[in-house]
Amino acid sequence: ETGVTQSPTHLIKTRGQQVTLRCSSQSGHNTVSWYQQALGQGPQFIFQYYREEENGRGNFPPRFSGLQFPNYSSELNVNALELDDSALYLCASSFPGTNTDTQYFGPGTRLTVL
Amino acid sequence: KQEVTQIPAALSVPEGENLVLNCSFTDSAIYNLQWFRQDPGKGLTSLLLIQSSQREQTSGRLNASLDKSSGRSTLYIAASQPGDSATYLCAVREAAGNKLTFGGGTRVLVKP
Repeated sequence: ETGVTQSPTHLIKTRGQQVTLRCSSQSGHNTVSWYQQALGQGPQFIFQYYREEENGRGNFPPRFSGLQFPNYSSELNVNALELDDSALYLCASSFPGTNTDTQYFGPGTRLTVL
Repeated sequence: KQEVTQIPAALSVPEGENLVLNCSFTDSAIYNLQWFRQDPGKGLTSLLLIQSSQREQTSGRLNASLDKSSGRSTLYIAASQPGDSATYLCAVREAAGNKLTFGGGTRVLVKP
């Protein structure tokens, strides 16, 4: 059973650019959630995808968008990057309806916006 | 709106001492509560998950309690070791399959 993987590990961009982050969910999981974690803070929910449809969104502007593919992997896209977008971006996969309904987190992508 | 708070923000103890980490939440209508460990710059590792119908969960040296009515959870780590140094985060889920709402974390340092 493979765990949750994310790519790239680190990324440096400049203000105004666009970025795409990728997440492969754990085998058998059909739900992916994305979180943003600023330095020294707890993760904040961005959005969740369930069977390729957005299934809930946190308080993030529309320039944060996502996709989920038929194999349940997912992308997070951020347009018009701002300095405050610098953070660790975490994805988590789960299979709702199981006994534990636990979210399993990937190692994260560290995004730096200059 | 659910808010989760963790106090203290940082904690330093000598090796062997027991650790007590606190988590409080404002809305008691939760589905479950989860404790995570995070090493610097890394992802989250799930430690314990407590369903809303449970009062506590144990795994090895770790024990987590849940008091829904008062909106509190406590993570106890017995006989701390330097390898326990990390940030500990609690998170609540308000419905099955729904998002997690996290606290700000408690940064723990266990000194040899």
